[in-house]
Amino acid sequence: AQSVTQPDIHITVSEGASLELRCNYSYGATPYLFWYVQSPGQGLQLLLKYFSGDTLVQGIKGFEAEFKRSQSSFNLRKPSVHWSDAAEYFCAVGSYNTDKLIFGTGTRLQVFP
Amino acid sequence: DTAVSQTPKYLVTQMGNDKSIKCEQNLGHDTMYWYKQDSKKFLKIMFSYNNKELIINETVPNRFSPKSPDKAHLNLHINSLELGDSAVYFCASSLTRQGGQPQHFGDGTRLSIL
Repeated sequence: AQSVTQPDIHITVSEGASLELRCNYSYGATPYLFWYVQSPGQGLQLLLKYFSGDTLVQGIKGFEAEFKRSQSSFNLRKPSVHWSDAAEYFCAVGSYNTDKLIFGTGTRLQVFP
Repeated sequence: DTAVSQTPKYLVTQMGNDKSIKCEQNLGHDTMYWYKQDSKKFLKIMFSYNNKELIINETVPNRFSPKSPDKAHLNLHINSLELGDSAVYFCASSLTRQGGQPQHFGDGTRLSIL
């Protein structure tokens, strides 16, 4: 079955600390992987995506993610978190032959000053 | 300029009523979507349209009827609202149906059923 798992429902970090949000997927075809961010009261915004090639991808707002095929993972990282990064983060999986995305259940990030 | 706009932002109504949510995108995209986000933040696709043609219908009850008068608009009409319909509904669009296209989301419509 196709699925995305985000094991951490809620993460709290101090401003300036490093961040890693986990994402594992189960998908039959070659996956296209995405990270989206949702700020309170707003829609989702694309942070970054991976299709092929270099397994470390850079996104907006200083985020990066690394695709590890052997671990079926696509974890999101940021070296130094800012208070404005507090939001809900969603990992999603799709494929070249469909525009249908399967989303994880999200990780809520809280940032303390 | 708002890329994907939904109206209304909030909708509070009673069980059994019929309501509509409107969505418009000014990005020139061919494909539009409706998603439902439940109280646990789980986001699931309901429908997709490509150039006014229904492409994806994810076994949504037929009380939900999307309508696309042109490729810039995708409205969602819901008949006989039930308590379980309470959720946030997101409209989104992408340039084409091709896999991997980024989807651009509206800010959502929070539907509350009394």
